[in-house]
Amino acid sequence: EPEVTQTPSHQVTQMGQEVILRCVPISNHLYFYWYRQILGQKVEFLVSFYNNEISEKSEIFDDQFSVERPDGSNFTLKIRSTKLEDSAMYFCASSEARPHGSDTQYFGPGTRLTVL
Amino acid sequence: AQSVTQPDIHITVSEGASLELRCNYSYGATPYLFWYVQSPGQGLQLLLKYFSGDTLVQGIKGFEAEFKRSQSSFNLRKPSVHWSDAAEYFCAVGFTGGGNKLTFGTGTQLKVEL
Repeated sequence: EPEVTQTPSHQVTQMGQEVILRCVPISNHLYFYWYRQILGQKVEFLVSFYNNEISEKSEIFDDQFSVERPDGSNFTLKIRSTKLEDSAMYFCASSEARPHGSDTQYFGPGTRLTVL
Repeated sequence: AQSVTQPDIHITVSEGASLELRCNYSYGATPYLFWYVQSPGQGLQLLLKYFSGDTLVQGIKGFEAEFKRSQSSFNLRKPSVHWSDAAEYFCAVGFTGGGNKLTFGTGTQLKVEL
């Protein structure tokens, strides 16, 4: 069964450093997403990406965040200058891009980011 | 703004007992409703979804959920819980015209006593 994969599973970084989280969505999917879950809190939407551009982003997704589809398979989330409060589990998801929002999103296992 | 409420943070049931996890949403448009499960160290696995039609939907692992528009609810049920069902359960909602983003509830941690 196709699945979303994410690397690394755990990333430790120093405050102010740049990190890139990587995701390989399901191959025939066209919509890609990043969500995050701060420890003990709910899963929050960050950004959606379709047709090589951001489709929607939340207030959390400020200028220090960026997303990219550098090739035909990877989807990345870059945090330019990490802060302590960026420590969280980051989930990538993908969907087929069915119309009217009736899309089912399939999630990867997550990358736990720890900022020291 | 849309919101999702899971009123029970923790639930403990005995193995073999029935289970109901509550989920309420707040929004005026037609919702698309999902339940995901997260086992420790794992990602979010889709249990079931409701888009339209029959308001009682069946999912994987013996779970079902019923959409009640009048109550703005989408409660998850299982007639007989197994120890392997211990996990965190998230209700999530998408909305017509809301793009494709999902709004999640805070989750319900299920503990199963043997």
